[in-house]
Amino acid sequence: GAVVSQHPSWVICKSGTSVKIECRSLDFQATTMFWYRQFPKQSLMLMATSNEGSKATYEQGVEKDKFLINHASLTLSTLTVTSAHPEDSSFYICSARSGREQETQYFGPGTRLLVL
Amino acid sequence: GQNIDQPTEMTATEGAIVQINCTYQTSGFNGLFWYQQHAGEAPTFLSYNVLDGLEEKGRFSSFLSRSKGYSYLLLKELQMKDSASYLCAPFDSNYQLIWGAGTKLIIKP
Repeated sequence: GAVVSQHPSWVICKSGTSVKIECRSLDFQATTMFWYRQFPKQSLMLMATSNEGSKATYEQGVEKDKFLINHASLTLSTLTVTSAHPEDSSFYICSARSGREQETQYFGPGTRLLVL
Repeated sequence: GQNIDQPTEMTATEGAIVQINCTYQTSGFNGLFWYQQHAGEAPTFLSYNVLDGLEEKGRFSSFLSRSKGYSYLLLKELQMKDSASYLCAPFDSNYQLIWGAGTKLIIKP
Protein backbone atom coordinates (compact mmCIF):
# COMPACT_ATOMS: atom_id res chain seq x y z
CA GLY A 1 0.00 0.00 0.00
CA ALA A 2 0.89 3.65 -0.24
CA VAL A 3 3.17 5.24 2.34
CA VAL A 4 2.37 8.36 4.31
CA SER A 5 4.81 9.86 6.78
CA GLN A 6 4.33 12.37 9.57
CA HIS A 7 6.85 14.50 11.37
CA PRO A 8 7.44 14.83 14.23
CA SER A 9 6.13 11.65 15.84
CA TRP A 10 6.27 13.19 19.30
CA VAL A 11 6.23 16.79 20.44
CA ILE A 12 6.15 18.35 23.88
CA CYS A 13 5.69 22.08 24.09
CA LYS A 14 4.82 24.83 26.52
CA SER A 15 1.39 26.35 26.62
CA GLY A 16 1.10 29.29 24.24
CA THR A 17 3.59 28.08 21.66
CA SER A 18 2.78 26.95 18.14
CA VAL A 19 3.49 23.50 16.77
CA LYS A 20 3.73 22.47 13.13
CA ILE A 21 3.08 18.90 12.01
CA GLU A 22 4.01 17.73 8.53
CA CYS A 23 2.27 15.03 6.54
CA ARG A 24 3.88 13.66 3.40
CA SER A 25 2.78 11.12 0.83
CA LEU A 26 5.99 9.35 -0.10
CA ASP A 27 5.14 7.32 -3.17
CA PHE A 28 2.01 8.89 -4.59
CA GLN A 29 0.44 12.26 -5.22
CA ALA A 30 -2.24 13.07 -2.68
CA THR A 31 -4.96 15.22 -4.15
CA THR A 32 -6.76 15.18 -0.82
CA MET A 33 -5.39 15.01 2.71
CA PHE A 34 -7.30 14.67 5.93
CA TRP A 35 -6.41 15.66 9.45
CA TYR A 36 -7.83 13.73 12.38
CA ARG A 37 -7.56 14.02 16.13
CA GLN A 38 -7.98 11.10 18.46
CA PHE A 39 -8.26 11.31 22.23
CA PRO A 40 -7.49 8.20 24.29
CA LYS A 41 -10.02 5.41 23.85
CA GLN A 42 -12.13 7.51 21.52
CA SER A 43 -12.85 7.29 17.82
CA LEU A 44 -11.09 9.28 15.16
CA MET A 45 -12.49 12.77 14.76
CA LEU A 46 -12.10 14.46 11.41
CA MET A 47 -10.82 17.99 11.83
CA ALA A 48 -10.45 19.15 8.26
CA THR A 49 -10.12 18.11 4.64
CA SER A 50 -7.59 19.78 2.41
CA ASN A 51 -7.28 19.68 -1.33
CA GLU A 52 -4.04 20.69 -2.96
CA GLY A 53 -3.96 24.36 -3.83
CA SER A 54 -7.18 25.32 -2.12
CA LYS A 55 -8.35 26.26 1.35
CA ALA A 56 -9.09 23.50 3.81
CA THR A 57 -12.64 22.60 4.74
CA TYR A 58 -13.02 22.46 8.51
CA GLU A 59 -15.48 20.34 10.43
CA GLN A 60 -18.00 21.99 12.68
CA GLY A 61 -16.48 22.99 15.98
CA VAL A 62 -12.89 23.07 14.71
CA GLU A 63 -11.36 26.55 14.86
CA LYS A 64 -9.70 27.32 11.56
CA ASP A 65 -7.65 30.14 13.06
CA LYS A 66 -6.27 27.82 15.69
CA PHE A 67 -5.57 24.84 13.46
CA LEU A 68 -3.94 26.20 10.33
CA ILE A 69 -3.75 23.79 7.43
CA ASN A 70 -1.63 24.26 4.34
CA HIS A 71 -1.66 21.84 1.40
CA ALA A 72 0.83 23.55 -0.85
CA SER A 73 1.86 20.57 -2.93
CA LEU A 74 0.56 17.16 -3.95
CA THR A 75 2.83 15.46 -1.44
CA LEU A 76 2.80 17.74 1.58
CA SER A 77 0.22 19.09 3.98
CA THR A 78 0.97 20.83 7.27
CA LEU A 79 -1.12 21.36 10.38
CA THR A 80 -0.08 24.17 12.70
CA VAL A 81 -1.58 24.24 16.17
CA THR A 82 -1.33 27.89 17.14
CA SER A 83 -1.09 29.01 20.76
CA ALA A 84 -1.41 25.46 21.98
CA HIS A 85 -3.07 24.75 25.32
CA PRO A 86 -3.08 21.59 27.45
CA GLU A 87 -6.52 20.63 26.10
CA ASP A 88 -4.96 20.43 22.62
CA SER A 89 -2.86 17.49 23.80
CA SER A 90 -3.93 14.62 21.59
CA PHE A 91 -2.92 12.18 18.88
CA TYR A 92 -3.01 13.94 15.50
CA ILE A 93 -3.19 11.71 12.45
CA CYS A 94 -3.15 12.63 8.80
CA SER A 95 -4.35 10.53 5.92
CA ALA A 96 -4.01 10.93 2.20
CA ARG A 97 -5.97 9.88 -0.80
CA SER A 98 -4.44 9.67 -4.24
CA GLY A 99 -5.95 11.03 -7.40
CA ARG A 100 -5.87 7.62 -9.05
CA GLU A 101 -7.15 5.53 -6.19
CA GLN A 102 -10.01 7.70 -5.13
CA GLU A 103 -11.36 5.52 -2.39
CA THR A 104 -8.65 4.38 -0.04
CA GLN A 105 -7.20 6.67 2.59
CA TYR A 106 -3.74 5.80 3.82
CA PHE A 107 -2.80 6.98 7.26
CA GLY A 108 0.39 8.47 8.54
CA PRO A 109 1.84 7.08 11.78
CA GLY A 110 0.43 9.96 13.82
CA THR A 111 1.91 12.70 16.01
CA ARG A 112 1.52 12.77 19.76
CA LEU A 113 1.25 16.30 21.08
CA LEU A 114 1.65 17.06 24.76
CA VAL A 115 1.16 20.65 25.83
CA LEU A 116 2.42 21.46 29.29
CA GLY B 1 -28.25 10.87 11.32
CA GLN B 2 -25.17 8.82 10.68
CA ASN B 3 -24.38 5.93 12.94
CA ILE B 4 -21.95 3.02 13.19
CA ASP B 5 -22.68 0.12 15.51
CA GLN B 6 -19.97 -2.39 16.43
CA PRO B 7 -19.41 -4.42 19.59
CA THR B 8 -17.17 -2.57 21.99
CA GLU B 9 -14.98 -5.53 22.82
CA MET B 10 -14.53 -9.15 21.82
CA THR B 11 -12.29 -11.91 23.09
CA ALA B 12 -11.03 -14.88 21.07
CA THR B 13 -8.45 -17.63 21.33
CA GLU B 14 -5.23 -17.86 19.37
CA GLY B 15 -5.74 -20.03 16.29
CA ALA B 16 -9.52 -19.59 16.28
CA ILE B 17 -11.83 -17.60 14.00
CA VAL B 18 -13.65 -14.42 14.96
CA GLN B 19 -16.29 -12.36 13.17
CA ILE B 20 -16.69 -8.67 13.95
CA ASN B 21 -20.04 -7.29 12.89
CA CYS B 22 -20.85 -3.75 11.88
CA THR B 23 -24.15 -2.10 11.08
CA TYR B 24 -24.27 1.39 9.69
CA GLN B 25 -26.61 4.18 8.76
CA THR B 26 -25.22 6.90 6.52
CA SER B 27 -26.37 9.71 4.28
CA GLY B 28 -25.68 7.93 1.04
CA PHE B 29 -23.17 5.13 0.68
CA ASN B 30 -20.04 4.74 -1.41
CA GLY B 31 -18.40 1.69 0.04
CA LEU B 32 -17.08 0.57 3.40
CA PHE B 33 -13.61 0.22 4.85
CA TRP B 34 -12.16 -1.86 7.61
CA TYR B 35 -9.09 -0.56 9.39
CA GLN B 36 -6.93 -2.10 12.10
CA GLN B 37 -5.56 0.10 14.85
CA HIS B 38 -3.06 -1.10 17.42
CA ALA B 39 -2.98 0.77 20.69
CA GLY B 40 -1.10 4.03 20.33
CA GLU B 41 -0.76 3.75 16.57
CA ALA B 42 -2.55 5.11 13.53
CA PRO B 43 -5.05 2.94 11.63
CA THR B 44 -3.88 0.69 8.82
CA PHE B 45 -6.02 -0.23 5.85
CA LEU B 46 -7.43 -3.78 5.76
CA SER B 47 -10.20 -3.88 3.17
CA TYR B 48 -12.67 -1.95 1.06
CA ASN B 49 -16.06 -3.29 -0.07
CA VAL B 50 -18.28 -1.43 -2.47
CA LEU B 51 -20.34 -4.31 -3.86
CA ASP B 52 -22.29 -6.95 -1.96
CA GLY B 53 -20.45 -10.11 -1.13
CA LEU B 54 -17.29 -11.44 0.40
CA GLU B 55 -13.78 -10.13 -0.27
CA GLU B 56 -11.03 -12.46 0.87
CA LYS B 57 -7.50 -11.31 1.55
CA GLY B 58 -5.33 -13.89 3.23
CA ARG B 59 -6.47 -14.50 6.81
CA PHE B 60 -8.88 -11.59 6.66
CA SER B 61 -12.20 -11.47 4.80
CA SER B 62 -14.79 -8.73 4.68
CA PHE B 63 -18.45 -9.04 3.77
CA LEU B 64 -20.95 -6.38 2.75
CA SER B 65 -24.73 -6.31 2.40
CA ARG B 66 -25.79 -2.86 1.25
CA SER B 67 -29.51 -3.56 1.53
CA LYS B 68 -29.08 -4.50 5.20
CA GLY B 69 -26.53 -1.82 6.04
CA TYR B 70 -24.34 -4.60 7.36
CA SER B 71 -20.74 -5.68 7.11
CA TYR B 72 -18.47 -8.07 8.92
CA LEU B 73 -14.77 -8.69 9.19
CA LEU B 74 -13.72 -12.31 9.52
CA LEU B 75 -10.32 -13.11 10.96
CA LYS B 76 -9.01 -16.67 10.68
CA GLU B 77 -6.11 -18.45 12.34
CA LEU B 78 -5.90 -15.73 14.94
CA GLN B 79 -2.47 -14.65 16.10
CA MET B 80 -1.54 -12.70 19.19
CA LYS B 81 -0.53 -9.76 16.99
CA ASP B 82 -4.15 -9.49 15.84
CA SER B 83 -5.01 -7.98 19.22
CA ALA B 84 -6.08 -4.49 18.18
CA SER B 85 -9.11 -2.32 17.54
CA TYR B 86 -10.98 -2.89 14.31
CA LEU B 87 -12.74 0.08 12.80
CA CYS B 88 -15.64 -0.16 10.40
CA ALA B 89 -15.89 3.06 8.35
CA PRO B 90 -18.41 3.59 5.56
CA PHE B 91 -18.14 6.33 2.97
CA ASP B 92 -21.12 8.66 2.88
CA SER B 93 -22.48 10.42 -0.20
CA ASN B 94 -19.69 13.02 0.00
CA TYR B 95 -16.97 10.35 0.18
CA GLN B 96 -16.37 11.20 3.82
CA LEU B 97 -15.41 8.35 6.10
CA ILE B 98 -17.77 7.94 9.02
CA TRP B 99 -15.91 6.55 12.03
CA GLY B 100 -17.27 4.63 14.97
CA ALA B 101 -15.42 3.77 18.14
CA GLY B 102 -14.30 0.39 16.81
CA THR B 103 -14.16 -3.08 18.33
CA LYS B 104 -11.34 -3.95 20.66
CA LEU B 105 -10.28 -7.53 19.94
CA ILE B 106 -8.40 -9.37 22.68
CA ILE B 107 -6.61 -12.57 21.72
CA LYS B 108 -5.84 -15.07 24.46
CA PRO B 109 -3.33 -17.91 24.21
